[in-house]
Amino acid sequence: AQKVTQAQTEISVVEKEDVTLDCVYETRDTTYYLFWYKQPPSGELVFLIRRNSFDEQNEISGRYSWNFQKSTSSFNFTITASQVVDSAVYFCALSEGYGNNRLAFGKGNQVVVIP
Amino acid sequence: GAVVSQHPSRVICKSGTSVKIECRSLDFQATTMFWYRQFPKQSLMLMATSNEGSKATYEQGVEKDKFLINHASLTLSTLTVTSAHPEDSSFYICSARVVNYGYTFGSGTRLTVV
Repeated sequence: AQKVTQAQTEISVVEKEDVTLDCVYETRDTTYYLFWYKQPPSGELVFLIRRNSFDEQNEISGRYSWNFQKSTSSFNFTITASQVVDSAVYFCALSEGYGNNRLAFGKGNQVVVIP
Repeated sequence: GAVVSQHPSRVICKSGTSVKIECRSLDFQATTMFWYRQFPKQSLMLMATSNEGSKATYEQGVEKDKFLINHASLTLSTLTVTSAHPEDSSFYICSARVVNYGYTFGSGTRLTVV
């Protein structure tokens, strides 16, 4: 069965510091998708990235970057030069197969950026 | 594109009454809709998966008679919390699978049962 582990529950950083969120996943499928979502206090889920199991390229989008390593089953997320607006809960999620299946979420990381 | 509109965003109801939450896909056809529940400071837990025109599949431990899911059309899925009790107070969020995109989420419904 699929499983996603986000070990750190709450992380506090001072504005402009970098913060890395760890995500470790378990699956028996060779085809799967990994996601990161941001959930601000308002509650809606904001899509950040989707990565399929055949694409191990790292990605950078502005201040966000992702490091996908199949060898360690990890899909870590880094926010560079954090800002107060980055304060939110961040979820890593996994779906097996060709995206037809349910999303399994990690427990989430509460990121608090202190001005 | 790929927007799911969820209503209401907040609802307060009396214990024993029923509440209906709607999720509409605005610019695509949602063959499959997922319903999640989220307690404060916790993750999203899948309650059920609904496919248009067929009965929903509920996760273990979720009472199907209490959480009625209807997915009668490709653009509308509803979750009805029947005979609500204070312990049903939670954040409910729907999600639809979008081909070649992944998943899109509604904005959520915060239910408070008093």
